[in-house]
Parts: sequence; C-alpha cells; structure tokens
Amino acid sequence: KQEVTQIPAALSVPEGENLVLNCSFTDSAIYNLQWFRQDPGKGLTSLLLIQSSQREQTSGRLNASLDKSSGRSTLYIAASQPGDSATYLCAVRGPQGNDYKLSFGAGTTVTVRA
Amino acid sequence: EAGVAQSPRYKIIEKRQSVAFWCNPISGHATLYWYQQILGQGPKLLIQFQNNGVVDDSQLPKDRFSAERLKGVDSTLKIQPAKLEDSAVYLCASSSPGVAWYGYTFGSGTRLTVV
Repeated sequence: KQEVTQIPAALSVPEGENLVLNCSFTDSAIYNLQWFRQDPGKGLTSLLLIQSSQREQTSGRLNASLDKSSGRSTLYIAASQPGDSATYLCAVRGPQGNDYKLSFGAGTTVTVRA
Repeated sequence: EAGVAQSPRYKIIEKRQSVAFWCNPISGHATLYWYQQILGQGPKLLIQFQNNGVVDDSQLPKDRFSAERLKGVDSTLKIQPAKLEDSAVYLCASSSPGVAWYGYTFGSGTRLTVV
C-alpha cells in the first residue's frame, strides 16, 4: 500500500523567503505526482503535475522536482508572499488493482508573515 | 473548460439527521470520485465510479453512506444518519479513465459540520 509523507507539517516564514516543501512516497511504481493547494475549508487547486518520466515542472514562482527512484518530490516556491499561505498537498497516482489510484499526504500548512 | 461543480458549499446539521451532496464532473470525464477530508488529514477515497458503475467503495461506511451516479454524469453522496465524526470537507473529483498520466480535477468541496 502506498504511503505518502509530507514534512514539515507546518511552516512559517517571513515574506520574501523561499519555501521548500518535501514529499516522500514508499512505492516508486507511480504514474505521476500532483501538488495541490488548499485554502481553509475549501477544495483542492492543482498546482503542478509531474509525469513519472519527468524530473521537474515549473509554473511561475513554483518549481517541483521528482526523484522517482528514491521516492521523493520537492516543491519550491520562490519569493514567498502572504497570499501563498495555505496547505499544500502532495498526491501520487499509481496502480492499484486494475486502476490508477491517488494517494495523498497529510499536507504542509504554510504561513507567510508580512 | 468548466470545472467540477459541487453543492452546497456549506452544510450544518444535527447528528442523526440526513444530508446529501451533489457533484457534476468535467464534461467527458467518465471517472468520478468522492473523497472525505477530516481536518488536518489528507483526503481519503470513499467511492469511485466509472460511468454509472461502482469501481471501488471499499472505504465507504455503507451502513450510513450511499452514493449514486445516474446516467454516468452527476453524482450524489448521502449520509443517513449523520454522526459527529462525519464532520469534514467532502470533495468530488473527476478524471479520464484509463489515462494514468492525466491529473485529477477537484471541485470546491462541501464543508459539513455535524453538531
């Protein structure tokens, strides 16, 4: 069974500092990995999707890397802003039975102080 | 493209009452998922549909939860009777079946509070 762990569970940084969020997974047989953002009590917004054959994806100030063999992904957010305050969830999609299922970490809650 | 639509956004009910949530997936997405997310945890899959058939409901508490997807499009998730521990955000997501490299698209969720 796939287990996804996110460290740290919470992070507080001053505005302008770069953020580094870590995600690890136990089964390297994945198809892709997706990073989501979630505001309190709300749904999930997809940030980046990395296919298993890719090493990284970039979108604006966000960059996500994937090392499938070691079971790790890192989300970098450059020059953080108070609007980046949210919970960031990592999810991996891998084979389970005859389908592809999404397994989530518990998230990293980020606070960017003005 | 339009996203995944969910309603209501918020619901407060007393324990032992019943409640229903509605989801409309992205057009053309045959696979639909319902997730439960308890505060401080990652989402947990409750049920997965492909078209109007159930693919996986192994984690659905079937004594109180039920879900249907008539005509393979919209879906409803019902809780009857609700318990305090059902307080959570209920998320609906859709994806294309058999296409593992596509990501999931989630709706805005329904926040349920049971008092």
